[in-house]
Parts: sequence; structure tokens; C-alpha cells
Amino acid sequence: GAVVSQHPSRVICKSGTSVKIECRSLDFQATTMFWYRQFPKQSLMLMATSNEGSKATYEQGVEKDKFLINHASLTLSTLTVTSAHPEDSSFYICSATLGLAYEQYFGPGTRLTVT
Amino acid sequence: KQEVTQIPAALSVPEGENLVLNCSFTDSAIYNLQWFRQDPGKGLTSLLLIQSSQREQTSGRLNASLDKSSGRSTLYIAASQPGDSATYLCAVKTGANNLFFGTGTRLTVIP
Repeated sequence: GAVVSQHPSRVICKSGTSVKIECRSLDFQATTMFWYRQFPKQSLMLMATSNEGSKATYEQGVEKDKFLINHASLTLSTLTVTSAHPEDSSFYICSATLGLAYEQYFGPGTRLTVT
Repeated sequence: KQEVTQIPAALSVPEGENLVLNCSFTDSAIYNLQWFRQDPGKGLTSLLLIQSSQREQTSGRLNASLDKSSGRSTLYIAASQPGDSATYLCAVKTGANNLFFGTGTRLTVIP
């Protein structure tokens, strides 16, 4: 199947700093990318949907000024957690798809710890 | 809004047993349904994808069925092995191109 990578796999940052997470589709051009977060022992919760070249659509309750998403190309989307706080510590997973009728491919996830 | 539920939340079986994991969803207007496996602290591994027009998919010891009208899917695992221990998630794709995830079933296969 298609491959989606994320970088970094783990990051520890201090409270108040910003962290950028990259998501890349390695062998296909993704029209749509998604960002999820997962708290321990819980399922994945969709944060936002982004289409290349347009603004991301955020789910209710997700602060768009705190979680900045940039989908600059068909193979790269970035999530920047601005002014991170300990409660932002979580597992962030991205996914990518060719379109509505296609399978969604997931990255390996990024473990963010804010101290 | 689509809601996806998985039963049971946790399951322990001895090695070699066949088992069934259940997934139900409230809105039958779906494009497809996927079953994933997630190991602790890791990302998702896609196991099976069933399009809305299909009734089942098979891959090795895994068989997934879909009854869209009743909002149900099952994942059958034959001859379970300790390496099958993981959390299994089902997810349905809707017209908004979103995947709605279930709550997961944590499977432990005892050697």
C-alpha cells in the first residue's frame, strides 16, 4: 500500500514553545490530508481536514490559531502546535488520501510531550 | 453525526481460538469501512477495506463483513496467535471524506 511518513516521531518541548510536525505522502499525490490526535487508551479524534492549496477545515472545538495547518503541496502537510502547553501532549497522526472513494493511508504518528 | 461503536472493548482468548470483533455505526450512508490494527504507541496498520457495495473482504486469516443496511461489520480472526495482540479499530468513511473511528477492541491472545 501507499506510504505516509511523519517527522519527527517523538518530540519533547517546553511549555510556551511551538512545534512543527511534517506529514508526507511518499509515493502518491494526496488531494486531502487529515490530522488526528489520540489520547492514551482513546480512539482517534479528527482535528482538521486540509486540501492542497486551500485553508484547512477544523473540527468543532479545535483552535485553528493554536493548531496551524499548511498543505503547501500534494505531498506535504504540516501541523504547527503554537504556544504548546502540557495538555497538548498527545499522539498526533496524519493521514492522506487520493479522494473520497479511496483508502486513507496513515502515518506512524508523532508523540508530543510538553514539559 | 456518525457514531461508531465497537464491542467488546477488550477481549482475551487462548492461542488458536477463532474470534469475532464487532463494529456498529449509526448512519448507513457510508462510502467504505476500514479495519485497522494499532500496536501500543504506534500508528495504524490498515487490515481490510470494504467498499459500500461489497459484503466482505478476506486477507489471510482475517475476514471482514459489512451489512450496510443494519450498520454492522465484523472482523473474524481465525486461529489467533500471540502476535495478533493489539487494539483493533474500525472506521467508516462518510460523504464529507472523513473517517469516523470506533472506540477500539483491545485483543490479547494468550500463549
